[in-house]
Amino acid sequence: GAVVSQHPSWVICKSGTSVKIECRSLDFQATTMFWYRQFPKQSLMLMATSNEGSKATYEQGVEKDKFLINHASLTLSTLTVTSAHPEDSSFYICSASDPSTGNTEAFFGQGTRLTVV
Amino acid sequence: KQEVTQIPAALSVPEGENLVLNCSFTDSAIYNLQWFRQDPGKGLTSLLLIQSSQREQTSGRLNASLDKSSGRSTLYIAASQPGDSATYLCAVTDGQNFVFGPGTRLSVLP
Repeated sequence: GAVVSQHPSWVICKSGTSVKIECRSLDFQATTMFWYRQFPKQSLMLMATSNEGSKATYEQGVEKDKFLINHASLTLSTLTVTSAHPEDSSFYICSASDPSTGNTEAFFGQGTRLTVV
Repeated sequence: KQEVTQIPAALSVPEGENLVLNCSFTDSAIYNLQWFRQDPGKGLTSLLLIQSSQREQTSGRLNASLDKSSGRSTLYIAASQPGDSATYLCAVTDGQNFVFGPGTRLSVLP
């Protein structure tokens, strides 16, 4: 299947700093990517939909000024957690589907474990 | 608003048993349903994808069924092995984003 690569796999940052997470589709072009967040022992919750060449669409309750999403190319979307705080510590996962397959099977990145200290 | 639930929340079985994981969703207007496996602290591995027009999909020891009208899907794991221990998530999509269930934590004891 298609491959989605996410980087870094884990990051520790100080409170107040910003962290950028990258999501790349390695062997296909993705006009749309999705960002999810997972708190411990909870399921994944959609944060935002990243659209290539246009603004991201955020889910209700997700601060767009805090979680900046940029989808500058058909193979790369980035999520920047700005002015991170300990409550932002979570597992962040991106996903994308390969439109050339004709179905919506989702492929997920490896996830990024963010710890804000 | 679509809601997805999974039963049981946790399951512990001895090696070799056949088992069934259940997934229910409230809105039957789905595009497809996908089962994933998640190991602790890891990302998701796609197991099976069932299109809304399909009834079931099989891959090795895994078989997933879909009854869209009743809003249910089951994941059947045959001859379970300790390596099957993980959290299993089902998710439905309207063709764009996914709504995930809370998952079933499976432990297969040697």
